[in-house]
Amino acid sequence: EIVLTQSPATLSLSPGERATLSCRASQSVSNYLAWYQQKPGQAPRLLIYDASKRATGIPGRFSGSGSGTDFTLTISSLEPEDFAVYYCQQRSSWLTFGEGTKVEIK
Amino acid sequence: EVQMVESGGGLVQPGGSLRLSCAASGFSLSRYSMNWVRQAPGRGLEWVSYISSDSRTMYYADSVKGRFTISQDNAKNSLYLQMNSLRAEDTAMYYCARDLIVVIPAAPNWFDRWGQGTLVTVSS
Repeated sequence: EIVLTQSPATLSLSPGERATLSCRASQSVSNYLAWYQQKPGQAPRLLIYDASKRATGIPGRFSGSGSGTDFTLTISSLEPEDFAVYYCQQRSSWLTFGEGTKVEIK
Repeated sequence: EVQMVESGGGLVQPGGSLRLSCAASGFSLSRYSMNWVRQAPGRGLEWVSYISSDSRTMYYADSVKGRFTISQDNAKNSLYLQMNSLRAEDTAMYYCARDLIVVIPAAPNWFDRWGQGTLVTVSS
C-alpha cells in the first residue's frame, strides 16, 4: 500500500498569506495525485487532480505541483473561506489518502 | 444540477447489517463509475468500494472485502452499499462519490462530486 505523508499537520497563517502544503508518497505515484479541501460538516471538494490540473470552478489561487514522490499544494493568498483541512490522494496503486493538513487562522 | 443524497445510516449492533443508498440526480449512473468513501469521526478519508459504469467491475478495500457489497440500479439512478458483519471500526460517515474520468482498465480515480454523507454507528 502506498502511504501518503502530509506535512505539516497544522499550518497557522493569516488571511492574505501564502500557504504551502506538502504530500510525500512512500513510492512513486507518477503524477497520479489529487488534493481535496474539507470544511467542518461538509463533504470533501476536489481542488487539483493529476498533480497540477485545477478542477472545474476552483479559483486560480490554488495550484499543485510535483511528480514522483513529492507534491505541493500552494494557495497563493489565503481567503477567509480557505481555512479548512486539505487531503492528498493517489490512484497510482489502488487508492489511498493522506492524513490531512489543517490550515487554521493565526 | 448534479446532486447525490445518501440515506440508510443509523445505529446498529456489532455483527449486524445495513444497506446504504445514494440517490443521484442531474446525471446518469450508467455513464459514471461510482464509489463509497468513509470517514471515521475526527479521522481522515478511506476509500471503501468502487463500481464501474457498466456494473461489471467492482473493487473493495481489504478492510471490507467479503463483508460489503456495492451495486447500482440504473432504472432508479441509485447506488447501494450492503454492509454485513459490521464492526465497531466501521463506524464512520459514508459518502458516495462520483469518478471524474473514465480510465481503462476500469478503476477508481478522482472524486469530483460527493453526497452529504450518512452516518453509520456500530455499537452495542
